Amino acid sequence: SYVLTQPPSVSVAPGKTATISCGGNNIGRKGVHWYHQKPGQAPVLVIYYDTDRPPGIPERFSGSNSGNTATLTISRVEAGDEADYYCQVWDSSSDHVVFGGGTKLTVL
Amino acid sequence: QVQLVQSGAEVKKPGASVKVSCKTSGYTFTTYSLHWVRQAPGQGLEWIGMISPSGGSTNYAQRFQGRVTMTRDTSTSTVNMELSSLRSNDTAVYYCARVSDHDDGDYGYWGQGTLVTVSS
Repeated sequence: SYVLTQPPSVSVAPGKTATISCGGNNIGRKGVHWYHQKPGQAPVLVIYYDTDRPPGIPERFSGSNSGNTATLTISRVEAGDEADYYCQVWDSSSDHVVFGGGTKLTVL
Repeated sequence: QVQLVQSGAEVKKPGASVKVSCKTSGYTFTTYSLHWVRQAPGQGLEWIGMISPSGGSTNYAQRFQGRVTMTRDTSTSTVNMELSSLRSNDTAVYYCARVSDHDDGDYGYWGQGTLVTVSS
């Protein structure tokens, strides 16, 4: 089955740029979606189809996807960005949805 | 606006079954697939499966095959997820999620989550 690999944790100082990776075999051929989740809350979509932002998501959030790695980039990080971040794809070979293991973003 | 409202928390004994419901509103029920995702305490998101409300077809993750049943009721715009033969590691928050309006396979709408606790 298809596996998505994320770093367990990323730390960044306020105002700096955070990058969260999501690795998968030829993931560049798939559409990747990103969510953030704060404690006790449901996940919230922040990037869909590699690079698109839903309404209400700040421009500070951006995404890219190529080769075997998709990346979520958060510019000018704020304390409120501290959350768990998950990547997600549709695996056409199994016809199943796959989530990455999640990355805890800590704002120092 | 689109809303997904789930049923309340459940406590079940090992071996029992649990049924979680997700009542939708704010859109045409039969247009978009609905999915179920769970999250064990302190763990990540895990996809359970999906149902197409229009025809009722389902697609379940391999590890839940034979234990999960998803149904829909078009008269009440509700989908249900029943998980049987519960064990302690089924303790989790269960979410229903709807794909976004652009239908690229991302989840733009989520229910509030239902905590299912399996304990003897």
